[in-house]
Amino acid sequence: EVQLVQSGAEVKKPGESLKISCKGSGYSFTSYWIGWVRQMPGKGLEWMGIIYPGDSDTRYSPSFQGQVTISADKSISTAYLQWSSLKASDTAMYYCARERGGGYDYLDYWGQGTLVTVSS
Amino acid sequence: AIWMTQSPSLLSASTGDRVTISCRMSQGISSYLAWYQQKPGKAPELLIYAASTLQSGVPSRFSGSGSGTDFTLTISCLQSEDFATYYCQQYYSFPPNFGGGTKVEIK
Repeated sequence: EVQLVQSGAEVKKPGESLKISCKGSGYSFTSYWIGWVRQMPGKGLEWMGIIYPGDSDTRYSPSFQGQVTISADKSISTAYLQWSSLKASDTAMYYCARERGGGYDYLDYWGQGTLVTVSS
Repeated sequence: AIWMTQSPSLLSASTGDRVTISCRMSQGISSYLAWYQQKPGKAPELLIYAASTLQSGVPSRFSGSGSGTDFTLTISCLQSEDFATYYCQQYYSFPPNFGGGTKVEIK
C-alpha cells in the first residue's frame, strides 16, 4: 500500500527556520517525483514544487522559487520542505503528494498534511 | 502560465441530483487534466486523470469529459459523501496549477 506520512503540526515565530518531512512507503521511492502543495486557511490548492528523489532533480513554481527549499534523502525515503526565515503569510497546510509522471503530472497519492502556524 | 477558470465556485444540491462542474483553460491542454475531491480537514484525493479516466476505487457515478480548453466533472447521482470541494488541475504545462475549486454543499 502506497503511503506518504508527513511530520506533525508546527508552531513557529516569524524569522525562525523550519523543515517538514514526508516519508514514503509501499513503492519505489526513488522512481516517482514528490510534489508539495500549499493550502492557505480557507483557500485553494497551490502547486509549489517537486523533486525526483532518484537524482534530487528539483523544480519550483515561479511563485515559490527562492521562498522555500525542497530536498530528499533517498536512503530513508523522505522528502523535505524547508524555510530559512518564516513569515506570517507562510501559515498554511502543506501537503506532499506522489506525482504519477515526469516532473509535472497529476498527483495520485497524498500525505495527510502538515499544518504550519507562524505567529508572534 | 495557463489560466484556469473553475465554475461555479459554490454549488448547492440535494442528494440524488446530477451535478456538473466546469473547468475552462486559457489555452488548449489536450486531455492533461485531473480532478480531485477534498473533504473538510482531509487531504485531496485523485478522482480522474487524463480528463476522463477514473482513478482505481472511485465510484462510477463520477465521470469526466472534455479536451482542449473545456472540461466537465459530472456526478450522476449525488450521495451524502460527495459533499466536498472539487479541484481541477492542468498538467499540460509548467507549473501544473489548480483551479480555484468548487464547493458542493447541501441545499
